[in-house]
This record gives sequence, structure tokens and C-alpha cells, in this order.
Amino acid sequence: AQSVSQHNHHVILSEAASLELGCNYSYGGTVNLFWYVQYPGQHLQLLLKYFSGDPLVKGIKGFEAEFIKSKFSFNLRKPSVQWSDTAEYFCAVNTGGFKTIFGAGTRLFVKA
Amino acid sequence: DADVTQTPRNRITKTGKRIMLECSQTKGHDRMYWYRQDPGLGLRLIYYSFDVKDINKGEISDGYSVSRQAQAKFSLSLESAIPNQTALYFCATSDTSFAGWNEQFFGPGTRLTVL
Repeated sequence: AQSVSQHNHHVILSEAASLELGCNYSYGGTVNLFWYVQYPGQHLQLLLKYFSGDPLVKGIKGFEAEFIKSKFSFNLRKPSVQWSDTAEYFCAVNTGGFKTIFGAGTRLFVKA
Repeated sequence: DADVTQTPRNRITKTGKRIMLECSQTKGHDRMYWYRQDPGLGLRLIYYSFDVKDINKGEISDGYSVSRQAQAKFSLSLESAIPNQTALYFCATSDTSFAGWNEQFFGPGTRLTVL
């Protein structure tokens, strides 16, 4: 069965630290990949997406993610986090059908 | 104005009660979805609808039913609520005409507590 794994459930960083959140999926075909962010008390919103082309994609607020097909990975990165990045981050995979599979989420807390 | 709205935003109810959660969208999208979010489990799909005449079960549809009253409205019902249905419920939409496959747009969520 298709699945999405996010390696860290909770991450605590200090401001200005670098961030990398891992995401791996299990599907051998063509995929569309997403990272969504959920700020405290808010709904999910799209952070960035990969459909095709350059495997390094840039999103809002300085986030980027790299698609490595051979590793079935789509890790999210940010060089220097801010307190306002405190949120829960969800990796999601769509294989072209109706269903988008979400990872369990990673809760990021950034200390001011 | 919000593109995807949900009512109510919070609801506390008792075991055995019937509950309806409503979702409306102004994005003109044809696909609509209901998810529940539980800590540590991410989002799980309850039901989805491709248009008014097309309703499909997701991975956790037991105990839930839906109604697509119009392209813009998709309601989720709990016929007889039970405590393990306590969760955060999200409605989402997507557009099949969008070239990029299934980017979803979420509502603000409904926090449901079943006592």
C-alpha cells in the first residue's frame, strides 16, 4: 500500500538554526509531491509543490524541498528558521488518482 | 473572504447524537473531500466527491455519511456520534482542470468533541 513517512514527529530548534524535515514515500510511479503547513489554530495551507522539472523547488517564506527520485524522498529545508515558523508540517503525495496521502506530520517549535 | 468555509468551527456533543458538519466553497472546484485529523496520524480521508452525482468512500468512512447538495456544498454527518470520533475535521477542494493534479485547498476545520 502507498504510504508517506515523516521521520520526526517533534522538532525543537532555536531561531536562526537550519531546518530539514524528512519525508519518504512508497510508490514506484509518477508522483506529485506537496508540503503543507498548519500554523497554530489555522487550516492547512500549501507551502510548496513538485509536479515535474527541476527537483529543487522553492516555496513561500524561504522554504525549499528537494525531490530525490532514487531515494523516494522529498525533504523540506530552510536555512534559518524564525519563531513564526512554529507549526505542524505535512508531507503529501498524489499518484495521479483521487487520493492524496498525507504523512503523520512533524510539529516544529522554534525557540525565540 | 475565505474560499472554503466550514460550520460549525467547534462542537461538543454527546454519544448517540446526530451531528452534521457543513462545508461550502466559492472556488468553483468540482472535487470536495472530508478528512479527519488525529494527533500523530496526520489526515485520513473519510469521503470524497468528484461532482454532485459522484460520492466515494475514503479509508475511514464507517460511522459517517455525506451529502453533496450542490457543487459548492458538501456535508458530513455522524449518524450516532461516539467518543472516538472526537477529532479535527477538515473539508478540502481541488480542481480537476488544474494542470497540476490535486493540489488541495482546505477549510479552517471543525473541532468536534463527543462526550
